[in-house]
Amino acid sequence: SQTIHQWPATLVQPVGSPLSLECTVEGTSNPNLYWYRQAAGRGLQLLFYSVGIGQISSEVPQNLSASRPQDRQFILSSKKLLLSDSGFYLCAWSALGPHLLFGPGTRLTVL
Amino acid sequence: SQQGEEDPQALSIQEGENATMNCSYKTSINNLQWYRQNSGRGLVHLILIRSNEREKHSGRLRVTLDTSKKSSSLLITASRAADTASYFCATDDTGGFKTIFGAGTRLFVKA
Repeated sequence: SQTIHQWPATLVQPVGSPLSLECTVEGTSNPNLYWYRQAAGRGLQLLFYSVGIGQISSEVPQNLSASRPQDRQFILSSKKLLLSDSGFYLCAWSALGPHLLFGPGTRLTVL
Repeated sequence: SQQGEEDPQALSIQEGENATMNCSYKTSINNLQWYRQNSGRGLVHLILIRSNEREKHSGRLRVTLDTSKKSSSLLITASRAADTASYFCATDDTGGFKTIFGAGTRLFVKA
């Protein structure tokens, strides 16, 4: 069966520290992969998406970056976190259609 | 940028009542989806309606789509306390790779 993993589940980081969030998908190949961010009580903001290894499309210019080193691995990074980077980060994937399957999310608090 | 906007932002009803949530969007779409999010969790896909469809049912869910008004509605019949969650509409872009979410409606069903 197809599953999606995200880690860590929660993270508290100081301002200016680096960030690395990882997402992996099992049970499928060549998925489209997505990173969304959700501020408290708000909707989802699309950050990055990827349709293949090494291919990244950025939706919102900011101090975050994404990489896809393997077919089913998607990584969200930052060199220096800002307070405004706090939020709930969700990884999602889709195969042949528009239906997205979401991971459990990572709650990031930047202090 | 957000494509879909849900209305109302929050809805509180008694168990057994019907809940109706509306979504408006701005540009032409290929399909529209509805997702559900329990507090602190990832989103779960509920139903997809294509641009050439006007109504779709799935269990206690009924979705309508009016492309002339660029709007959709989600009806949950005979609501239960377990339906308490946030509900989001989502639309695709013309390329079909990006799914853009609205701000969501928070539904609270009182037992």
